[in-house]
Amino acid sequence: ETGVTQSPTHLIKTRGQQVTLRCSSQSGHNTVSWYQQALGQGPQFIFQYYREEENGRGNFPPRFSGLQFPNYSSELNVNALELDDSALYLCASSQLAGGRNEQFFGPGTRLTVL
Amino acid sequence: LAKTTQPISMDSYEGQEVNITCSHNNIATNDYITWYQQFPSQGPRFIIQGYKTKVTNEVASLFIPADRKSSTLSLPRVSLSDTAVYYCLVGDTQAAGNKLTFGGGTRVLVKP
Repeated sequence: ETGVTQSPTHLIKTRGQQVTLRCSSQSGHNTVSWYQQALGQGPQFIFQYYREEENGRGNFPPRFSGLQFPNYSSELNVNALELDDSALYLCASSQLAGGRNEQFFGPGTRLTVL
Repeated sequence: LAKTTQPISMDSYEGQEVNITCSHNNIATNDYITWYQQFPSQGPRFIIQGYKTKVTNEVASLFIPADRKSSTLSLPRVSLSDTAVYYCLVGDTQAAGNKLTFGGGTRVLVKP
């Protein structure tokens, strides 16, 4: 196990609702990244937070937002849910210090939008 | 970011060596090549990373030719538990955002 935890494990929402997903980083890591993985596809980068500031964003609309807290845990918020938001949401923590690009992933949150 | 191309799937048998080749013709000077493994309903897991020539660790080897336009992940003597999706990633580890760009991956099925 990587030491990265995510909650909840599974979640079912309906279109238009809002959802908050949570992630606890591995001890000692100052960076957290969020990815969306649709069924049968590779993970897609949503955004990254470094020391509580957004530090890069992928091609996702503004209704995807995030927070990182002083203890480096993080939240992913999605507003106005759409059916296509159904996916596995992965959080990955790392120590942004150059060198090896190793990110440690959590088990993910499976979101189903009905 | 350099685009990667890898086979969609591969079948193998227990005890055999599995080699997965990834093409990345537009790799940039600062880019590293990284491989991740993902089991169903789990997050990806780092396997190996290299810049050039050959890198070996306890689970795999990574072969990178001099032109760096491709790379080959080698899994020695696979077992049933090596059945997973393997992703080849290319990117600049020093870049701001440090994001990983995953392609479709290669689904490896190890048969008894």
